[in-house]
Amino acid sequence: KNEVEQSPQNLTAQEGEFITINCSYSVGISALHWLQQHPGGGIVSLFMLSSGKKKHGRLIATINIQEKHSSLHITASHPRDSAVYICAVRGEYGNKLVFGAGTILRVKS
Amino acid sequence: DVKVTQSSRYLVKRTGEKVFLECVQDMDHENMFWYRQDPGLGLRLIYFSYDVKMKEKGDIPEGYSVSREKKERFSLILESASTNQTSMYLCASSLALRRRLNEKLFFGSGTQLSVL
Repeated sequence: KNEVEQSPQNLTAQEGEFITINCSYSVGISALHWLQQHPGGGIVSLFMLSSGKKKHGRLIATINIQEKHSSLHITASHPRDSAVYICAVRGEYGNKLVFGAGTILRVKS
Repeated sequence: DVKVTQSSRYLVKRTGEKVFLECVQDMDHENMFWYRQDPGLGLRLIYFSYDVKMKEKGDIPEGYSVSREKKERFSLILESASTNQTSMYLCASSLALRRRLNEKLFFGSGTQLSVL
């Protein structure tokens, strides 16, 4: 079992829909990251969380440390949100991140 | 904004060739990382460095080596390229733990390496 599991693997939505991507992990962590990768490869850091909730524009990230679970929500989705969304966790010690396999999101107009 | 630059976007090499992938960052970051990304597997850490001339093995170091002679530059070396090293290679950098106010990882745009 991977240390970081994302669901769903693939997601297709209509423009305007509310989207949720989930991330579960099995180890104790000090931080969780949500990253976005557009076609062509470049990866951008969206959020870093260690507790609670963060919001940036139409993106909201939440984390429940006790349940070892995080969600990334996109409100009023748009075709430009189409990308791969990646969850990564940093363990309680050290610099290394462990990555999920990613969720491929396609938003249709 | 932090910029992490990888020297090549696409690279085609032959089996057995020595391959150098270069990465340069311009924000005085201590930590630098090399990952490879394969479909369905996510990013896997090959090597990382937390200071000049320092390096540590990641999860899949076999067949690779690295060099960090200057703080801003972290090179990944494939001593003798093999077909199973065909992959997307991504470099990243971040501040050192002791200086980390906002733990953000900055990525280069990636190098798609094909080994024939």
